[in-house]
Amino acid sequence: EAQVTQNPRYLITVTGKKLTVTCSQNMNHEYMSWYRQDPGLGLRQIYYSMNVEVTDKGDVPEGYKVSRKEKRNFPLILESPSPNQTSLYFCASSPQRGASDTQYFGPGTRLTVL
Amino acid sequence: GDSVTQMEGPVTLSEEAFLTINCTYTATGYPSLFWYVQYPGEGLQLLLKATKADDKGSNKGFEATYRKETTSFHLEKGSVQVSDSAVYFCALSRSGSARQLTFGSGTQLTVLP
Repeated sequence: EAQVTQNPRYLITVTGKKLTVTCSQNMNHEYMSWYRQDPGLGLRQIYYSMNVEVTDKGDVPEGYKVSRKEKRNFPLILESPSPNQTSLYFCASSPQRGASDTQYFGPGTRLTVL
Repeated sequence: GDSVTQMEGPVTLSEEAFLTINCTYTATGYPSLFWYVQYPGEGLQLLLKATKADDKGSNKGFEATYRKETTSFHLEKGSVQVSDSAVYFCALSRSGSARQLTFGSGTQLTVLP
């Protein structure tokens, strides 16, 4: 089944404790991205990657890191989480970065930083 | 910069009622327009899209027409069901922009039996 998977689905952590949220897609997509969803703000892009070893900042990259060592995986790293990073996070992928391409979303990771 | 403005929610309707969720956009050039739906506890999934002016996207009884003259992409359905209860996001994507999708803030729809 074609899908985007994220782990963990739920995470409660404390300020400053490094964490990684994994994202994997099995559709051989080139383009992957991370979003955060906050009430009243819709989804905002954190980082994106056009291909292996090619990553760039989205709208809200502060406090986050990413890497793209393999085509299928695009982990999101919070090296020193803070309470303002409490949010619902989505990974997404699409065949390419074309304007008409559909993005396929993972199920989401709900992160709480205490 | 690019932006999408959606009708404020939440919206509550009775089953079989007519649905309209307004969406307007600001973007240079000719963006592609999308409606994504998020069912409770799930990720977003594409509902429909339109890639050029006057195109109509349709799926599962939902429709939206790309109106360049009014920069709008309103979502409509003639008869909603309880199973349509979800959050609906309007979004745009523009060639030449590094950001693939710009989202509206989302509209929560609840359909009562």
